[in-house]
Amino acid sequence: KNEVEQSPQNLTAQEGEFITINCSYSVGISALHWLQQHPGGGIVSLFMLSSGKKKHGRLIATINIQEKHSSLHITASHPRDSAVYICAVMDSNYQLIWGAGTKLIIKP
Amino acid sequence: ETGVTQTPRHLVMGMTNKKSLKCEQHLGHNAMYWYKQSAKKPLELMFVYSLEERVENNSVPSRFSPECPNSSHLFLHLHTLQPEDSALYLCASSQDRLYGYTFGSGTRLTVV
Repeated sequence: KNEVEQSPQNLTAQEGEFITINCSYSVGISALHWLQQHPGGGIVSLFMLSSGKKKHGRLIATINIQEKHSSLHITASHPRDSAVYICAVMDSNYQLIWGAGTKLIIKP
Repeated sequence: ETGVTQTPRHLVMGMTNKKSLKCEQHLGHNAMYWYKQSAKKPLELMFVYSLEERVENNSVPSRFSPECPNSSHLFLHLHTLQPEDSALYLCASSQDRLYGYTFGSGTRLTVV
């Protein structure tokens, strides 16, 4: 079992839908990252959080430390949001442990 | 551009070739990383350099050889690779291995 599990693995939705991607982890962490990878490979860091909630535009990330769970939400989804979303946790040794990613496709 | 530049973007090489991947950052970060991303697998950390010294080598085969001549540049030298080494190789940098992870666009490597 991976230490960082993401769900779903694949998600297809219609433009405008509210999207939720989940990340569960089994280790103690100092921080959790959400990243976006577009076709072609480049990875962009979206959020780094260690508690509570962060918002940037249409993206919202939440974390529940007690439950070892984080969610990434996208409001009013758009085809340009289509990408792979990756959750990564930084453990107590400052090692990043990566989830396998969630492939999101938003259809017009 | 993210501030981390990788070249080349694509590379096709034979198993007997020698090639190098280059990564450059001018963000003032003091840690740099090489990651390997194979299809449908989580990123695998290969090497970490902190303050230009290698601090981690995650059991990577010797056919991959990193070099960090200064805090802004990182190379990955490749020789006698295998087809299973075909993957996306990503470079990243951060400050103090804690903050501001920034990734390059990656080099798509195909070994034939």
